[in-house]
Amino acid sequence: DVVMTQSPLSLPVTLGQPASISCRSSQSLVHSDGNTYLTWFQQRPGQSPRRLIYRVSNRDSGVPDRFSGSGSDTDFALKISRVEAEDVGVYYCMQGTHWPPYAFGQGTKLEIQ
Amino acid sequence: EVQLVESGGSLIQPGGSLRLSCAASKFIFSSYSMNWVRQAPGKGLEWVSYVSTSGGLVYYADSVKGRFTISRDNAKDSLYLQMNSLRDEDTAVYYCGRSAGGAYKDGPSDWGQGTLVTVSS
Repeated sequence: DVVMTQSPLSLPVTLGQPASISCRSSQSLVHSDGNTYLTWFQQRPGQSPRRLIYRVSNRDSGVPDRFSGSGSDTDFALKISRVEAEDVGVYYCMQGTHWPPYAFGQGTKLEIQ
Repeated sequence: EVQLVESGGSLIQPGGSLRLSCAASKFIFSSYSMNWVRQAPGKGLEWVSYVSTSGGLVYYADSVKGRFTISRDNAKDSLYLQMNSLRDEDTAVYYCGRSAGGAYKDGPSDWGQGTLVTVSS
Protein backbone atom coordinates (compact mmCIF):
# COMPACT_ATOMS: atom_id res chain seq x y z
CA ASP A 1 0.00 0.00 0.00
CA VAL A 2 1.01 3.61 -0.57
CA VAL A 3 2.40 5.44 2.47
CA MET A 4 1.81 9.17 2.85
CA THR A 5 4.32 11.16 4.91
CA GLN A 6 3.64 14.71 6.05
CA SER A 7 6.00 17.30 7.46
CA PRO A 8 6.15 19.05 9.74
CA LEU A 9 3.80 17.33 12.17
CA SER A 10 3.49 20.53 14.20
CA LEU A 11 3.42 23.98 12.64
CA PRO A 12 3.35 27.10 14.81
CA VAL A 13 2.55 30.15 12.69
CA THR A 14 2.12 33.85 13.38
CA LEU A 15 -1.20 35.38 12.31
CA GLY A 16 -0.92 36.92 8.86
CA GLN A 17 2.17 34.91 7.96
CA PRO A 18 2.34 32.17 5.33
CA ALA A 19 2.38 28.47 6.13
CA SER A 20 3.35 25.42 4.11
CA ILE A 21 2.80 21.69 4.69
CA SER A 22 4.62 19.02 2.75
CA CYS A 23 3.19 15.62 1.78
CA ARG A 24 5.21 12.86 0.14
CA SER A 25 3.94 9.55 -1.21
CA SER A 26 5.87 6.29 -1.39
CA GLN A 27 4.78 5.84 -5.01
CA SER A 28 3.92 8.14 -7.87
CA LEU A 29 0.33 9.38 -7.62
CA VAL A 30 -0.09 9.86 -11.36
CA HIS A 31 -3.02 7.65 -12.39
CA SER A 32 -3.23 5.88 -15.73
CA ASP A 33 -6.11 8.25 -16.59
CA GLY A 34 -3.68 11.17 -16.40
CA ASN A 35 -5.02 12.62 -13.15
CA THR A 36 -3.17 12.86 -9.85
CA TYR A 37 -5.50 12.04 -6.96
CA LEU A 38 -3.99 13.96 -4.08
CA THR A 39 -6.47 15.54 -1.68
CA TRP A 40 -6.13 17.84 1.34
CA PHE A 41 -8.48 17.91 4.32
CA GLN A 42 -8.78 20.33 7.21
CA GLN A 43 -10.06 19.28 10.63
CA ARG A 44 -10.74 22.12 13.02
CA PRO A 45 -10.78 21.34 16.76
CA GLY A 46 -13.87 19.35 17.67
CA GLN A 47 -15.15 19.23 14.09
CA SER A 48 -15.43 16.70 11.29
CA PRO A 49 -12.92 16.75 8.45
CA ARG A 50 -13.56 19.11 5.57
CA ARG A 51 -12.18 18.64 2.08
CA LEU A 52 -10.20 21.65 0.94
CA ILE A 53 -8.43 20.64 -2.25
CA TYR A 54 -8.65 17.70 -4.65
CA ARG A 55 -6.50 16.57 -7.57
CA VAL A 56 -3.53 18.49 -6.21
CA SER A 57 -4.75 22.03 -6.79
CA ASN A 58 -8.54 22.26 -7.18
CA ARG A 59 -10.19 24.14 -4.33
CA ASP A 60 -13.57 22.94 -3.10
CA SER A 61 -16.50 25.33 -3.10
CA GLY A 62 -16.29 27.88 -0.29
CA VAL A 63 -12.59 27.35 0.40
CA PRO A 64 -10.79 30.71 0.68
CA ASP A 65 -8.28 31.44 -2.05
CA ARG A 66 -5.51 31.85 0.53
CA PHE A 67 -5.36 28.03 0.40
CA SER A 68 -3.48 26.54 -2.54
CA GLY A 69 -2.18 23.13 -3.45
CA SER A 70 0.74 22.23 -5.65
CA GLY A 71 3.08 19.42 -6.56
CA SER A 72 3.43 16.41 -8.77
CA ASP A 73 4.41 12.75 -8.84
CA THR A 74 5.36 12.05 -5.20
CA ASP A 75 5.87 15.54 -3.77
CA PHE A 76 3.03 17.84 -2.80
CA ALA A 77 2.37 20.92 -0.70
CA LEU A 78 -0.50 22.83 0.86
CA LYS A 79 0.14 26.53 1.27
CA ILE A 80 -1.75 29.16 3.21
CA SER A 81 -0.79 32.61 2.02
CA ARG A 82 -1.77 34.47 5.22
CA VAL A 83 -2.83 32.41 8.23
CA GLU A 84 -6.02 33.44 10.00
CA ALA A 85 -7.25 32.32 13.42
CA GLU A 86 -9.90 30.08 11.84
CA ASP A 87 -7.17 28.04 10.11
CA VAL A 88 -6.12 26.40 13.38
CA GLY A 89 -6.53 22.64 13.21
CA VAL A 90 -5.04 19.50 11.72
CA TYR A 91 -4.40 19.12 8.01
CA TYR A 92 -4.28 15.74 6.26
CA CYS A 93 -3.21 14.76 2.78
CA MET A 94 -4.74 11.67 1.20
CA GLN A 95 -4.09 9.67 -1.92
CA GLY A 96 -6.80 8.07 -4.04
CA THR A 97 -4.74 7.02 -7.05
CA HIS A 98 -3.89 3.57 -5.71
CA TRP A 99 -7.35 2.96 -4.27
CA PRO A 100 -8.44 0.96 -2.41
CA PRO A 101 -7.41 1.87 0.18
CA TYR A 102 -7.39 5.62 0.58
CA ALA A 103 -4.20 6.46 2.46
CA PHE A 104 -3.98 9.46 4.74
CA GLY A 105 -0.91 11.24 6.01
CA GLN A 106 -0.31 11.43 9.77
CA GLY A 107 -1.68 14.95 9.97
CA THR A 108 -0.05 18.35 10.57
CA LYS A 109 -1.25 20.39 13.52
CA LEU A 110 -1.30 24.10 12.75
CA GLU A 111 -1.39 26.43 15.72
CA ILE A 112 -1.01 30.14 16.22
CA GLN A 113 2.16 31.16 18.01
CA GLU B 1 -27.09 21.82 2.50
CA VAL B 2 -26.01 18.18 2.50
CA GLN B 3 -26.79 16.34 5.74
CA LEU B 4 -25.17 13.14 6.96
CA VAL B 5 -26.11 12.04 10.46
CA GLU B 6 -24.42 9.03 12.03
CA SER B 7 -25.89 7.06 14.91
CA GLY B 8 -25.47 3.76 16.72
CA GLY B 9 -22.18 4.32 18.50
CA SER B 10 -21.91 3.11 22.09
CA LEU B 11 -19.76 1.33 24.66
CA ILE B 12 -19.40 -2.33 23.73
CA GLN B 13 -17.36 -5.21 25.10
CA PRO B 14 -14.59 -6.84 23.08
CA GLY B 15 -16.00 -9.52 20.82
CA GLY B 16 -19.34 -7.78 20.62
CA SER B 17 -21.30 -6.47 17.64
CA LEU B 18 -22.66 -3.07 16.74
CA ARG B 19 -24.48 -1.57 13.77
CA LEU B 20 -23.83 2.01 12.76
CA SER B 21 -26.22 4.00 10.60
CA CYS B 22 -25.81 7.15 8.54
CA ALA B 23 -28.96 9.00 7.51
CA ALA B 24 -28.56 11.14 4.41
CA SER B 25 -30.72 14.05 3.35
CA LYS B 26 -30.86 17.05 1.02
CA PHE B 27 -29.18 15.28 -1.86
CA ILE B 28 -29.88 12.34 -4.17
CA PHE B 29 -28.36 9.60 -2.02
CA SER B 30 -28.43 6.96 -4.75
CA SER B 31 -26.13 9.07 -6.93
CA TYR B 32 -23.24 9.02 -4.48
CA SER B 33 -20.82 6.38 -3.36
CA MET B 34 -20.30 6.27 0.39
CA ASN B 35 -17.50 5.62 2.83
CA TRP B 36 -16.85 5.00 6.47
CA VAL B 37 -13.71 6.64 7.89
CA ARG B 38 -12.66 6.37 11.53
CA GLN B 39 -10.48 8.31 13.92
CA ALA B 40 -9.14 6.77 17.11
CA PRO B 41 -8.91 9.16 20.08
CA GLY B 42 -6.14 11.68 19.47
CA LYS B 43 -5.09 9.95 16.25
CA GLY B 44 -5.38 10.50 12.51
CA LEU B 45 -7.90 9.44 9.90
CA GLU B 46 -8.24 5.83 8.74
CA TRP B 47 -10.44 4.76 5.85
CA VAL B 48 -12.61 1.77 6.78
CA SER B 49 -14.94 0.88 3.92
CA TYR B 50 -16.54 1.96 0.63
CA VAL B 51 -19.80 1.10 -1.12
CA SER B 52 -20.74 2.03 -4.66
CA THR B 53 -23.93 3.83 -5.62
CA SER B 54 -25.88 0.61 -6.19
CA GLY B 55 -24.29 -1.27 -3.32
CA GLY B 56 -22.87 -3.82 -5.71
CA LEU B 57 -19.23 -2.93 -5.12
CA VAL B 58 -17.73 -2.85 -1.66
CA TYR B 59 -14.19 -2.54 -0.32
CA TYR B 60 -12.66 -2.78 3.13
CA ALA B 61 -9.47 -1.86 4.91
CA ASP B 62 -7.40 -4.92 5.79
CA SER B 63 -7.85 -4.08 9.48
CA VAL B 64 -11.62 -4.74 9.32
CA LYS B 65 -11.97 -7.21 6.47
CA GLY B 66 -14.01 -10.23 7.47
CA ARG B 67 -15.41 -8.49 10.56
CA PHE B 68 -17.22 -5.41 9.19
CA THR B 69 -19.92 -5.26 6.51
CA ILE B 70 -20.96 -2.10 4.72
CA SER B 71 -24.38 -1.79 3.11
CA ARG B 72 -26.85 0.82 1.96
CA ASP B 73 -30.58 1.18 1.44
CA ASN B 74 -31.21 3.73 -1.30
CA ALA B 75 -34.94 3.64 -0.65
CA LYS B 76 -34.28 4.81 2.90
CA ASP B 77 -31.35 7.13 2.08
CA SER B 78 -29.28 5.27 4.61
CA LEU B 79 -25.81 3.79 4.96
CA TYR B 80 -24.87 1.08 7.44
CA LEU B 81 -21.81 -0.52 8.98
CA GLN B 82 -22.25 -3.87 10.71
CA MET B 83 -19.32 -4.36 13.06
CA ASN B 84 -18.66 -7.84 14.48
CA SER B 85 -15.89 -9.32 16.62
CA LEU B 86 -15.01 -5.86 17.89
CA ARG B 87 -11.55 -5.24 19.30
CA ASP B 88 -10.09 -2.58 21.56
CA GLU B 89 -8.36 -1.06 18.55
CA ASP B 90 -11.72 -0.43 16.85
CA THR B 91 -12.40 2.31 19.39
CA ALA B 92 -12.86 5.47 17.35
CA VAL B 93 -15.21 8.11 16.06
CA TYR B 94 -16.77 6.73 12.88
CA TYR B 95 -17.62 9.19 10.12
CA CYS B 96 -19.68 8.58 7.03
CA GLY B 97 -18.66 10.51 3.95
CA ARG B 98 -20.04 10.83 0.44
CA SER B 99 -18.17 10.90 -2.84
CA ALA B 100 -19.57 11.99 -6.21
CA GLY B 101 -20.26 8.80 -8.16
CA GLY B 102 -17.45 9.07 -10.65
CA ALA B 103 -15.07 11.03 -8.45
CA TYR B 104 -14.51 8.60 -5.61
CA LYS B 105 -10.74 8.81 -6.02
CA ASP B 106 -10.92 12.39 -4.71
CA GLY B 107 -12.11 11.12 -1.33
CA PRO B 108 -15.24 12.14 0.56
CA SER B 109 -16.39 15.66 -0.26
CA ASP B 110 -18.84 15.82 2.65
CA TRP B 111 -18.74 14.25 6.09
CA GLY B 112 -21.12 13.62 8.95
CA GLN B 113 -20.47 14.68 12.53
CA GLY B 114 -19.38 11.18 13.58
CA THR B 115 -20.49 8.61 16.14
CA LEU B 116 -18.24 7.28 18.92
CA VAL B 117 -17.63 3.57 19.32
CA THR B 118 -15.83 2.51 22.47
CA VAL B 119 -14.70 -1.09 22.78
CA SER B 120 -13.80 -1.90 26.36
CA SER B 121 -14.50 -4.42 29.07
